[in-house]
Amino acid sequence: GAGVSQSPSNKVTEKGKDVELRCDPISGHTALYWYRQSLGQGLEFLIYFQGNSAPDKSGLPSDRFSAERTGGSVSTLTIQRTQQEDSAVYLCASSLVAGAISYEQYFGPGTRLTVT
Amino acid sequence: KQEVTQIPAALSVPEGENLVLNCSFTDSAIYNLQWFRQDPGKGLTSLLLIQSSQREQTSGRLNASLDKSSGRSTLYIAASQPGDSATYLCAVTAPTGANSKLTFGKGITLSVRP
Repeated sequence: GAGVSQSPSNKVTEKGKDVELRCDPISGHTALYWYRQSLGQGLEFLIYFQGNSAPDKSGLPSDRFSAERTGGSVSTLTIQRTQQEDSAVYLCASSLVAGAISYEQYFGPGTRLTVT
Repeated sequence: KQEVTQIPAALSVPEGENLVLNCSFTDSAIYNLQWFRQDPGKGLTSLLLIQSSQREQTSGRLNASLDKSSGRSTLYIAASQPGDSATYLCAVTAPTGANSKLTFGKGITLSVRP
C-alpha cells in the first residue's frame, strides 16, 4: 500500500514569509507525528496527533509553529515569519494505535526547507 | 529527560565484515526501541522494532538486541555489503502509549568499502 507522503519535497522561502508543509499519513493510521532534522541537532519531536484527542504540542520550538490535522487524516505544519534557523528537513510519521499500544512508526520522505 | 547516544558517529569497514552498532539510553523505562536506516537526502526506513518485553529481533542479515536494564541496544549486521552504507539511527519511546514520540540518537554513518 501507499506509504506516508509529504509535499513539497523541497521549499525555498525568504526570511519572514509563511510556509505550509503537508503530510498524508498511511490510511488507517490514527497517530501522526512531526519531527525536524537539523544539521548538528539530530531528529527532534515537534507535535503529535492521535485520533480526536488534543494534540501534544510540547516539541514546537516557538509560537510561530502550528499544525492541524483535518478529518483525522492529512496534516499541515505551518511556520509563520520564517527565520534562517528554521531551515531543516521536516519529517512526518504515522502509526497504528490500539488502546494504549502504539506500533511502529513509518516515515515520509520529508520536506527540505531552506530559508534565505 | 531521555537521552540517546550512538558512538562512534562514523564507521568505515571493508565489505564482508560483521559489525555491531551501539546505542545507549539514559532512562530504562522505555516502551520500545526502533532502529532506522537513512540514506543521504532520504527519509527514514524502519529496520527493526523491539518491544520492551523482548530481547531481540531479527530480519535477514540484521539482528537487534535490547538490554533495557542497562539502557543498551545493539544492531548486528552480518556480512556487510556496500549497499549497507547509510546512517543508522536508534530511537526509543516513552513508557506509555499516550504519546509514543521517538527520542533519537544522532546516528552512526556507516561506510562499507568494496
